[in-house]
Amino acid sequence: DAGVIQSPRHEVTEMGQEVTLRCKPISGHDYLFWYRQTMMRGLELLIYFNNNVPIDDSGMPEDRFSAKMPNASFSTLKIQPSEPRDSAVYFCASSFTYSLSTYEQYFGPGTRLTVT
Amino acid sequence: QKEVEQDPGPLSVPEGAIVSLNCTYSNSAFQYFMWYRQYSRKGPELLMYTYSSGNKEDGRFTAQVDKSSKYISLFIRDSQPSDSATYLCASLNRDDKIIFGKGTRLHILP
Repeated sequence: DAGVIQSPRHEVTEMGQEVTLRCKPISGHDYLFWYRQTMMRGLELLIYFNNNVPIDDSGMPEDRFSAKMPNASFSTLKIQPSEPRDSAVYFCASSFTYSLSTYEQYFGPGTRLTVT
Repeated sequence: QKEVEQDPGPLSVPEGAIVSLNCTYSNSAFQYFMWYRQYSRKGPELLMYTYSSGNKEDGRFTAQVDKSSKYISLFIRDSQPSDSATYLCASLNRDDKIIFGKGTRLHILP
């Protein structure tokens, strides 16, 4: 398997523009997670899906952020409008959790977002 | 207080030395603890996980949890330059979400 695939790997945009980040989870995984990583705040969970259904979006910072998972092999994280403070590395991760004792998430390579 | 805390480092040690990485956590209800390794410009990858207290060994790596002091440790024996990375400790909270520490940057000097 190719692992979790994210695109683009780098995104530079101007404040106010819409940004869409994409993720393809590992085939067969039923959980998908979106994280944001910054030096100041570390790795933060934004939202996660189970079987394409959003379960917990309490980490989404504001209404400017939205996420969708239209099918088992694709998810998007959208920021509209983007602001400089959104600059971070955004990770997508997936897992197949059948018991808590083997709770392992597989992370993609991340999208480095810079908003100027 | 952040739920999982760790010293950001950087921690520099000579090749072959034993490395000790540490975290503290605030919620005594946490039961599952994990260590993730993150190479530069890559996503984190799970190294080890433990349940409750005690030790778990995997090759050169040993994870230790002391629930009485809410302390999590990762020991690396015979450290190699390829171990240079950021190490994130994490715990599973009661909502089944992984709470990560900010990570400790480790440099193994050849």
